[in-house]
Formats: sequence, C-alpha cells, structure tokens
Amino acid sequence: AQTVTQSQPEMSVQEAETVTLSCTYDTSESDYYLFWYKQPPSRQMILVIRQEAYKQQNATENRFSVNFQKAAKSFSLKISDSQLGDAAMYFCAYRSSLNFGNEKLTFGTGTRLTIIP
Amino acid sequence: DTGVSQNPRHKITKRGQNVTFRCDPISEHNRLYWYRQTLGQGPEFLTYFQNEAQLEKSRLLSDRFSAERPKGSFSTLEIQRTEQGDSAMYLCASSSDFDNEQFFGPGTRLTVL
Repeated sequence: AQTVTQSQPEMSVQEAETVTLSCTYDTSESDYYLFWYKQPPSRQMILVIRQEAYKQQNATENRFSVNFQKAAKSFSLKISDSQLGDAAMYFCAYRSSLNFGNEKLTFGTGTRLTIIP
Repeated sequence: DTGVSQNPRHKITKRGQNVTFRCDPISEHNRLYWYRQTLGQGPEFLTYFQNEAQLEKSRLLSDRFSAERPKGSFSTLEIQRTEQGDSAMYLCASSSDFDNEQFFGPGTRLTVL
C-alpha cells in the first residue's frame, strides 16, 4: 500500500517570501500522479498543482512549483512571493496511474501554513 | 454548474441514531468518491463509484456504512447506529473520465454525542 508523509505539521513564512513544504511517499509502482491540495479554513479543498511521475520536468503553476525527485520519492511544494491568501492546510496526495479501482487519493497528514504580514 | 455540493453541511446526532448524507457531483463527472477527515488528519478514502457501480470500498467502511449512487448522479452515504468515533468531516469529490483531478465539495461535519 502507498503511504504519504508530511513531516512538517506547521510552517510559517513572511509575506512576499518563499516557503517550501516537504512531502515523501512510498510506492512500488513506477507510474503514478502526485498532487498538492490546499484547504483554507472552513473552505473546500482545491487542487494547487499536479505532477505525473513519467514526466521529468517539474510542474509549475504561477507562484507554485514542485521539486519532484522520483528516485528519492520526494515531492516538495515551493510557494514564491507568499500572499495572505496562501494561508491554509496543504495536503500532499498520491494516486495510482492504474484505472478501474485505483483512482483513490492517498493523503498525507498536512502542513498548516501561516503567512506573517 | 457551481461545483460539488453536499448536504447537510453540519449534522449533530445522538449515539445509536442513523444519519444520511447527500453529495451532488459536477454534472458531467462519472466518478464520485467519499472520504473521511478527522481533526488534524488528511482525508482517508472510503469508497468510489464509476457511474452507478461501486468499484472500491476501504476497510474503513464497516458494515454500518453504506453508500449508493442509484442513477449515476447524486450519491448518499448512510451511517447506521452511529458511534462517537464516527465524528468527522465527510468529504465528497468527483472527477471526469478524462482528467485525474478530483473536485471536492465543502463536506458534511458530523458530530455524534
């Protein structure tokens, strides 16, 4: 079974600075998807960024980018130019690439990000 | 379509009572997922539907839990004989056959007294 580990329960960053959230995972599969989801307080979870394991290039979405190290099974999220609206719980998640019964997401325990004005 | 909706948003019940939650996915999405999230934890998978077929169930889904998606549109999750350990946020998500992004609803927060 796959597992996802987020070792930083809480992080804080000064507004406009850069912060990196860590995630490691364990799997025996060679192809899979990795995601970072954001869950603001009392609001629903939304996708921040995704990475397909067969792609060597790191995904980027505006101020959000990932550092995907497949051999190390590491998938960190970098947030540049942090904004107050980035304050939230961030979850790393894994999904198998296989279909028909393997579409579930396996989540880490989350990192609570605080933005300091 | 405004996204995945869930009702009720909050439910308080007494131990031993039955509760039912509803999820309405994004209209063109064939796939529907239920997750449970306890305080300080990430969501844990409960079950998954493709159209009306329930394709996967977690061992977290005990005999007291049942989920249905009768016409491949909305889904219900019923918990019978609730226990205090059932207190959690129950999240629903949906996705299309062509994209692996799961869109989440706001959740139903269950409190069992």
